[in-house]
Amino acid sequence: EAGVAQSPRYKIIEKRQSVAFWCNPISGHATLYWYQQILGQGPKLLIQFQNNGVVDDSQLPKDRFSAERLKGVDSTLKIQPAKLEDSAVYLCASSFSQIGGAETQYFGPGTRLLVL
Amino acid sequence: AQRVTQPEKLLSVFKGAPVELKCNYSYSGSPELFWYVQYSRQRLQLLLRHISRESIKGFTADLNKGETSFHLKKPFAQEEDSAMYYCALASNAGKSTFGDGTTLTVKP
Repeated sequence: EAGVAQSPRYKIIEKRQSVAFWCNPISGHATLYWYQQILGQGPKLLIQFQNNGVVDDSQLPKDRFSAERLKGVDSTLKIQPAKLEDSAVYLCASSFSQIGGAETQYFGPGTRLLVL
Repeated sequence: AQRVTQPEKLLSVFKGAPVELKCNYSYSGSPELFWYVQYSRQRLQLLLRHISRESIKGFTADLNKGETSFHLKKPFAQEEDSAMYYCALASNAGKSTFGDGTTLTVKP
């Protein structure tokens, strides 16, 4: 079984630039998560999709971050414009759940973003 | 609001010694608790979840609702257990909250 794929693996940009991350979940997984992990901290949930609908985006800074999951499969997370404090690892995860609830999450390798 | 606290950033034990990684949580409902592990150069992966009551790689964790804790234990630590460990809580709606992690080092 192929795991969760993410690209790019690393990205360096200057502040005020834009950046986008891509995630391909495990086939058949209905739920997709985006996390932000700042150095020394645990993953913080930014947005959770179930199929192509948003379940939770309460911690997504909507003035600069956006995410979409067209057709309920792949997802992209965008930051526009980036700030220095956005430097972090962005993790994508997926789980099988079709009806919500707590399930095991399978994580991608992450995208390491550095904003200069 | 749901919260997970892992009071120890770093934990170091000798091989063969018992190890306990602490996790405390705050949640008004009935939580689902998980331990995830990240070995060096690998992605984050599930170690165990309380509902399955399994012992994985010799690790166990008991949910104590009275003390709102979900500590991870292993009676005899091995060098290959050295990793970053995260405790996580999922609400009934599936929203996840992670602790800030504990780095475990098992010395030979």
